[in-house]
Amino acid sequence: NAGVTQTPKFRVLKTGQSMTLLCAQDMNHEYMYWYRQDPGMGLRLIHYSVGEGTTAKGEVPDGYNVSRLKKQNFLLGLESAAPSQTSVYFCASRPDTSGAKNIQYFGAGTRLSVL
Amino acid sequence: AQSVTQLGSHVSVSEGALVLLRCNYSSSVPPYLFWYVQYPNQGLQLLLKYTTGATLVKGINGFEAEFKKSETSFHLTKPSAHMSDAAEYFCAVSDRNNNDMRFGAGTRLTVKP
Repeated sequence: NAGVTQTPKFRVLKTGQSMTLLCAQDMNHEYMYWYRQDPGMGLRLIHYSVGEGTTAKGEVPDGYNVSRLKKQNFLLGLESAAPSQTSVYFCASRPDTSGAKNIQYFGAGTRLSVL
Repeated sequence: AQSVTQLGSHVSVSEGALVLLRCNYSSSVPPYLFWYVQYPNQGLQLLLKYTTGATLVKGINGFEAEFKKSETSFHLTKPSAHMSDAAEYFCAVSDRNNNDMRFGAGTRLTVKP
């Protein structure tokens, strides 16, 4: 079972470069999320999607764009990378349900350094 | 908006000792509460969650947590620490839609032989 797969695992960018992080899930989940993790700050929500073709802003959306053209994929874009975007990025997904099965499943993360 | 405070960024225990990781939350609506564990260079894995019902929640690997509304707490415990428990632990809170999950800063647990 692949679950949530993030590509790439590591990346180094120069300031001003652009890149796209890919998140793919094979669990037919409706909801998908992008977080960033910084030391001493836990995870913070960047953007999320409640279904194919929809996106919404989270806690720290500035400097990022997202797209959900296919249900299984959620892309996170950096148009002009800045050193402040050096972080570990996590993708998560969850089913459209309530109660006990309302759980977010996380990918292994993408470590991004912006020089 | 909800928020979480984890007391203690580092906790060190001896193998076999009680593990207690503290979490307090703030929420204007009935919360969902979670504990996740993160091993080095890996993603987050759910340990346990509280949604409704029984306030004492049992999770994987012998961990449990108790939701105390009066204290706005959701502390994580394990009676006897194992070396394999060494990891970083995150407490999180969300509303019932689970679309705005807020994480604490994390507590790094070290287990000494």
